[in-house]
Amino acid sequence: SQTIHQWPATLVQPVGSPLSLECTVEGTSNPNLYWYRQAAGRGLQLLFYSVGIGQISSEVPQNLSASRPQDRQFILSSKKLLLSDSGFYLCAWSRTGGNYGYTFGSGTRLTVV
Amino acid sequence: GQQVMQIPQYQHVQEGEDFTTYCNSSTTLSNIQWYKQRPGGHPVFLIQLVKSGEVKKQKRLTFQFGEAKKNSSLHITATQTTDVGTYFCAAANDYKLSFGAGTTVTVRA
Repeated sequence: SQTIHQWPATLVQPVGSPLSLECTVEGTSNPNLYWYRQAAGRGLQLLFYSVGIGQISSEVPQNLSASRPQDRQFILSSKKLLLSDSGFYLCAWSRTGGNYGYTFGSGTRLTVV
Repeated sequence: GQQVMQIPQYQHVQEGEDFTTYCNSSTTLSNIQWYKQRPGGHPVFLIQLVKSGEVKKQKRLTFQFGEAKKNSSLHITATQTTDVGTYFCAAANDYKLSFGAGTTVTVRA
């Protein structure tokens, strides 16, 4: 069966510090991968998606970036965090070749102080 | 991407009662997906609707896709405390899902 791992679960970082959130998927190959952000009590905003290694599409221009160094690894990064980067970051995967349901990771709650 | 609007934003329900949440789009959708997010948790996929007028049931949950494929609804009968959470609809556009703002459900025992 497929599983998705996302860490850390919570993170408190000072303004201006770097960020690296990692997401890995097991039990499938060539998944579509996604990073979403959810502000407190709000909906889900798509940040990045990837349909293959090294292929990253950005939905929202920000001080965040994403990379996919391996087929089942998706990383969200920032060089300098802003207060507005606080939120609940969710990684998700779906099968390729059609519209399939997303499986989300358990998320990272980031607080920038 | 596809924009979907959800109403109501909040739904306060007496335990045992029924309620419906709605998802609307100004454009025709290829399919619609529904997710549930428990408080403090992550969204969990519930179902996907593809065909015009499609109706699917999961125990007390009934999902419907409109004839014009521009709207969808989720109806929950005999609400239980386990139904608490936020229900999102999502529309697909190429490889991406655009989520509605969600309906947050609270239940009075």
